[in-house]
Amino acid sequence: EAGVVQSPRYKIIEKKQPVAFWCNPISGHNTLYWYLQNLGQGPELLIRYENEEAVDDSQLPKDRFSAERLKGVDSTLKIQPAELGDSAVYLCASSSRTGSTGELFFGEGSRLTVL
Amino acid sequence: AQRVTQPEKLLSVFKGAPVELKCNYSYSGSPELFWYVQYSRQRLQLLLRHISRESIKGFTADLNKGETSFHLKKPFAQEEDSAMYYCALSPFGNAGNMLTFGGGTRLMVKP
Repeated sequence: EAGVVQSPRYKIIEKKQPVAFWCNPISGHNTLYWYLQNLGQGPELLIRYENEEAVDDSQLPKDRFSAERLKGVDSTLKIQPAELGDSAVYLCASSSRTGSTGELFFGEGSRLTVL
Repeated sequence: AQRVTQPEKLLSVFKGAPVELKCNYSYSGSPELFWYVQYSRQRLQLLLRHISRESIKGFTADLNKGETSFHLKKPFAQEEDSAMYYCALSPFGNAGNMLTFGGGTRLMVKP
């Protein structure tokens, strides 16, 4: 089992440029999460999907961030335009409704550097 | 709103010494508490959950509702315990996977 797969692992862009991150969750996991992790801090939830429906996106800065999970499997997180403060690690995680409570399976993360 | 606080950014101990990583939380309801760990060059993963009352890799954690704490303990630290540790909270029940993480504590176990 490959686990949660994220790409790209690293991305360096100039401010005002767009960027997109992709996540493939563990097969059969209906819940998908995008977390933001700033340097020296813990992960913070951006958005949570139950299948293809975004059930919690209250922390997603909707002026520049967008996300989608078409067909309830893969997901894409986009930032347009990127700002210097967006430099961080973007973590994707998934969980199963039949799995243990609180057990999220994380990807390796996508590290974004905005210059 | 829930909040998780880990007061120590870094904890350094010698091999064989006892370890206690502190975690305090605030939440108006009944929470579920978890510890996640991230070893060097590995993914963030679940270490243990309070509801299971389990010991994983020699680590235990007791939920103290009176002190709103969930400290992680190990009597004898090993070098392979060196990692980032995150305490996390979730509302009890249907939203059991809505995790709020603390800022993390880096544990360094010296030989």
